[in-house]
Amino acid sequence: QVQLVQSGAEVKKPGASVKVSCKASGYTFTSYYMHWVRQAPGQGLEWMGIINPSGGSTSYAQKFQGRVTMTRDTSTSTVYMELSSLRSEDTAVYYCARTPGGGMDVWGQGTTVTVSS
Amino acid sequence: SSELTQDPAVSVALGQTVRITCQGDSLRSYYASWYQQKPGQAPVLVIYGKNNRPSGIPDRFSGSSSGNTASLTITGAQAEDEADYYCNSRDSSGNHRNWVFGGGTKLTVL
Repeated sequence: QVQLVQSGAEVKKPGASVKVSCKASGYTFTSYYMHWVRQAPGQGLEWMGIINPSGGSTSYAQKFQGRVTMTRDTSTSTVYMELSSLRSEDTAVYYCARTPGGGMDVWGQGTTVTVSS
Repeated sequence: SSELTQDPAVSVALGQTVRITCQGDSLRSYYASWYQQKPGQAPVLVIYGKNNRPSGIPDRFSGSSSGNTASLTITGAQAEDEADYYCNSRDSSGNHRNWVFGGGTKLTVL
């Protein structure tokens, strides 16, 4: 079945970086763009960016420009999201979500990132 | 970037019909998608495109759009429909590869 499995929870200090992985299975990895979305505690969903697993092109929300990098490894069907210069406000659950073009139809289970000194 | 505006909270009596709305300039150019999220769970896509339901989504969920407003309608709300609902569309104000979410609507089924 189609699945997105994300890496485990992370605890980071302010100023550090975190890299979250999202491994796809059950479909042709390069045929679907992948979004990254985050949700701070008690808050709504926030779109971070999108990557085309086929060519690797990306587009990021202006808020994260310069701090976020999305990459992919086609040999392992995995996409990555790296966020740098972490601050307490980056404490959130981070999701990857596949899109066939209209909507995000499959989501990862989420990765909790906690930023604390 | 574009913004999508949703009412923070809506309530509906069990078995009745409820409409959840989403407003934004990008909805004049792009369809909204709608997601249901229950506590501690990842969001689930319930409506996409003009009015399409993914496999497994009950037909009591439907979508519509007019001008700058998209709507999610639940006809005959069930207790299990109590959740947060988010709309989402492409951003029409700058980089059209970017997307945006509404702030979410908490639906209470009475």
